[in-house]
Amino acid sequence: AQSVTQLGSHVSVSEGALVLLRCNYSSSVPPYLFWYVQYPNQGLQLLLKYTTGATLVKGINGFEAEFKKSETSFHLTKPSAHMSDAAEYFCAVTPRRSSNTGKLIFGQGTTLQVKP
Amino acid sequence: GAGVSQSPSNKVTEKGKDVELRCDPISGHTALYWYRQRLGQGLEFLIYFQGNSAPDKSGLPSDRFSAERTGESVSTLTIQRTQQEDSAVYLCASSPQAAMNTEAFFGQGTRLTVV
Repeated sequence: AQSVTQLGSHVSVSEGALVLLRCNYSSSVPPYLFWYVQYPNQGLQLLLKYTTGATLVKGINGFEAEFKKSETSFHLTKPSAHMSDAAEYFCAVTPRRSSNTGKLIFGQGTTLQVKP
Repeated sequence: GAGVSQSPSNKVTEKGKDVELRCDPISGHTALYWYRQRLGQGLEFLIYFQGNSAPDKSGLPSDRFSAERTGESVSTLTIQRTQQEDSAVYLCASSPQAAMNTEAFFGQGTRLTVV
C-alpha cells in the first residue's frame, strides 16, 4: 500500500536559516505529490504540488520542493525561515491512476519551530 | 461561503453518546472528503463523496461511523456510541472535481473530545 514518511516530527531552525522538511513516498509509480501547511487553529492550506513536468516546484510563501524519482523523495525547502513559518507541515500523495478519486494519503506531519 | 465551513468547531461528549459533525463545502464542489487527525498523527482518510454518493467508504473505522451528503452540498458525519479512541480532529475537504491533481480545500475541523 502507498505510504508517506516524513522524517522528523519536530524541526527547529533559527530565523533566517534554511528550512528543510523531508518527505519520502513508497510506490513504484511516482504519485502526485503535495505539501500542505496547517497554522494553529486553521485548516490545511496547499503550499505546492507536483503533477508533471519540471521537478522543482515553487509554491507560496517562498517554499519550493524538488521531486527526485531516484530517491522517491519530495523534500520541502525555504532558503530563509521567517517567524510566520512556524506551523505544521504535511506531505501527501495521491496515486497516479485513472480510477483515482483525489483521496490523499498523508505523512504524519512535521512541526516547524522558528526561533528568533 | 468563501471556504469550507465545519461545525461545531469543538465538541465534548460523554462516552457512549452519539455525535453529528457538519461540513458545508465550497459551493459547486462536487467532491467532498472526510479525514480524521489524531493527536500527533497524520490525517487518515475516512470517506469520499461524489455528489451525494459515497463510492469510497474504505476509511470508516467501524460501523459506528456513517456519513451522508444531501443536495450535493452539506455533509454530516455521525459517530454512534462514541469511544475515547474517537477523540480527534475531524477535517472536511472539498474540491471542484475528484481528480488526481485537483486541489482540495480544507475546513478548520471539528475537535472531538470523548470523556
